Amino acid sequence: QVQLQESGPGLVKPSQTLSLTCTVSGGSVSSGSNYWGWIRQTPGKGLEWIGNIYHTGITTYNLSLKSRVTISLDTTENQFSLKLNSVTAADTAVYYCTRAPVEMSTIDYFDSWGQGTLVTVSS
Amino acid sequence: EIVLTQSPDFQSVTPKEKVTITCRASQSIDSSLHWYQQKPDQSPNLLIKYASQSISGVPSRFSGSGSGTDFTLTINSLEAEDAATYFCHQSSSLPYTFGQGTKLEIK
Repeated sequence: QVQLQESGPGLVKPSQTLSLTCTVSGGSVSSGSNYWGWIRQTPGKGLEWIGNIYHTGITTYNLSLKSRVTISLDTTENQFSLKLNSVTAADTAVYYCTRAPVEMSTIDYFDSWGQGTLVTVSS
Repeated sequence: EIVLTQSPDFQSVTPKEKVTITCRASQSIDSSLHWYQQKPDQSPNLLIKYASQSISGVPSRFSGSGSGTDFTLTINSLEAEDAATYFCHQSSSLPYTFGQGTKLEIK
């Protein structure tokens, strides 16, 4: 059974870059069977899809964040990462890494989630 | 952007009750609608995919229906462990979006 685990700083200063890594066990980020990605959650805005990456490196991002976000793969470490630059307090959230199985040839449902990591943006 | 509106926002229910949660999409999404359960301090867990398809390991008391713009999650014979927040999610068009959540409290 696949397991996802987020890691990274819990505190980021405004205007800096938020960087998180998701380590995958029980599955391979090099497999064409899944998309890998990030979702965040705040009390105010609820769940917000950030973006996904396929094993080919092709990415799909939420346009509301696209200019600031990068998702990348590290196949040697079986990890994928999120970078969100120029952060503000509005980016304070619990960040989840997720897996979306390829079933209908597009990103559909998220069947595996990491435990989530709280990132606070504050000076 | 497709907006998903759930109702109710909150419901207090007794064990063995039947619960119905609705999710309405701002435009047709065919059957590209999925349901999740999130218990306190846990990550969301997939309950139903493509509006009505069951997920292995999820109790059979959870079922889904609907297509187009109106969808329903039904919990038959509610159990105490079903206390959670339930979310719908659409994958019909970008950006993928979620409903605001329905919190179930068990009396």
